[in-house]
Amino acid sequence: SQQGEEDPQALSIQEGENATMNCSYKTSINNLQWYRQNSGRGLVHLILIRSNEREKHSGRLRVTLDTSKKSSSLLITASRAADTASYFCATDAHQAGTALIFGKGTTLSVSS
Amino acid sequence: DVKVTQSSRYLVKRTGEKVFLECVQDMDHENMFWYRQDPGLGLRLIYFSYDVKMKEKGDIPEGYSVSREKKERFSLILESASTNQTSMYLCASSLFGGPTNYGYTFGSGTRLTVV
Repeated sequence: SQQGEEDPQALSIQEGENATMNCSYKTSINNLQWYRQNSGRGLVHLILIRSNEREKHSGRLRVTLDTSKKSSSLLITASRAADTASYFCATDAHQAGTALIFGKGTTLSVSS
Repeated sequence: DVKVTQSSRYLVKRTGEKVFLECVQDMDHENMFWYRQDPGLGLRLIYFSYDVKMKEKGDIPEGYSVSREKKERFSLILESASTNQTSMYLCASSLFGGPTNYGYTFGSGTRLTVV
């Protein structure tokens, strides 16, 4: 049961540029989360945005949530080579009380 | 530094073997999860647990079972390993308050190859 879908699947940018990734989901949610995964490693939690929030910031990260469009975006400003990773959005499944459902991710490559 | 520890980074097992993947967390988290990650398919939920001795099926529980005898440990069991269970297995934990209300802390993953 795929709840979130990231777009684009892959993104290549230069250091210093901004990177924007989008996530669309199908059903109503309680919150939406973004994670990063470096190659071959576990995922790292970046940010959680609740359904009654529209925007949230954490350092160089900015997340927006539009519940009317069932979509979210993750903006990474002034990208660095170290931001090279896969980024996943995760949402509640449609049944209450179940675990996070992850999208397939966006692979970001930042070159110096 | 809080941690979720998976016992093995790499594992090679033979078809038909019973395989145990162990996960331990030191954060006193109530919720624990097992996912598998495959290219093109993303992360898929196998099982999760929100309390000791409790378990809930995820999207792909077939061929797997779990054990949670202690709060800090959540084991994934492949009853009879098959080649289609070759995958990266990821364990995670989170605070109580709903399985999705807090961020998950992931282990580093176990890359299992079944030959």
